[in-house]
Amino acid sequence: QQQVKQSPQSLIVQKGGISIINCAYENTAFDYFPWYQQFPGKGPALLIAIRPDVSEKKEGRFTISFNKSAKQFSLHIMDSQPGDSATYFCAASGNTPLVFGKGTRLSVIA
Amino acid sequence: GAGVSQSPSNKVTEKGKDVELRCDPISGHTALYWYRQSLGQGLEFLIYFQGNSAPDKSGLPSDRFSAERTGGSVSTLTIQRTQQEDSAVYLCASSLVDRGNTIYFGEGSWLTVV
Repeated sequence: QQQVKQSPQSLIVQKGGISIINCAYENTAFDYFPWYQQFPGKGPALLIAIRPDVSEKKEGRFTISFNKSAKQFSLHIMDSQPGDSATYFCAASGNTPLVFGKGTRLSVIA
Repeated sequence: GAGVSQSPSNKVTEKGKDVELRCDPISGHTALYWYRQSLGQGLEFLIYFQGNSAPDKSGLPSDRFSAERTGGSVSTLTIQRTQQEDSAVYLCASSLVDRGNTIYFGEGSWLTVV
């Protein structure tokens, strides 16, 4: 059973556009929702994270939107740049190690 | 170094051989995790160590997989009698305290079983 479902698998966005990646979870005990960014040949690195007491968190061009009732959260990348091209993973945890989605491969084209 | 260090970075082994993968976490981090990344499968949790507590082995896929953490620092993941389906990137991560906090990944050990 996949505890965190992520979509889309891949995404192509024009430079300057908005990239949106969605995740849904099942376990209501989850209380920490990070997004990780991974470049080829590197390990994933924390990008931004949210806890369910807020519905949105913004850091620069990156925003997490969180919908507790729908058990969904999403990553928005504003003004997408070629340097944002990477694989993005959503994740969730409660009293467990992080459970990851299967990843979204983002390509930002000029 | 300041980050999580893993070795070897690449390993090619013959089917049936045993392999050991090493992880040196960030100094002072009490929690250590192993994940496996296969193509198109995301990050699969394998095992978790926290201080002197018994490890959470719930993610280990078979009894061919084992891990230990010596002195609360360095960890070794051992895969016995490797199979082709074990080919993947094995990622180690560490965090300062318990779950629900930022975990920092190493660059991984690429394992290819031929």
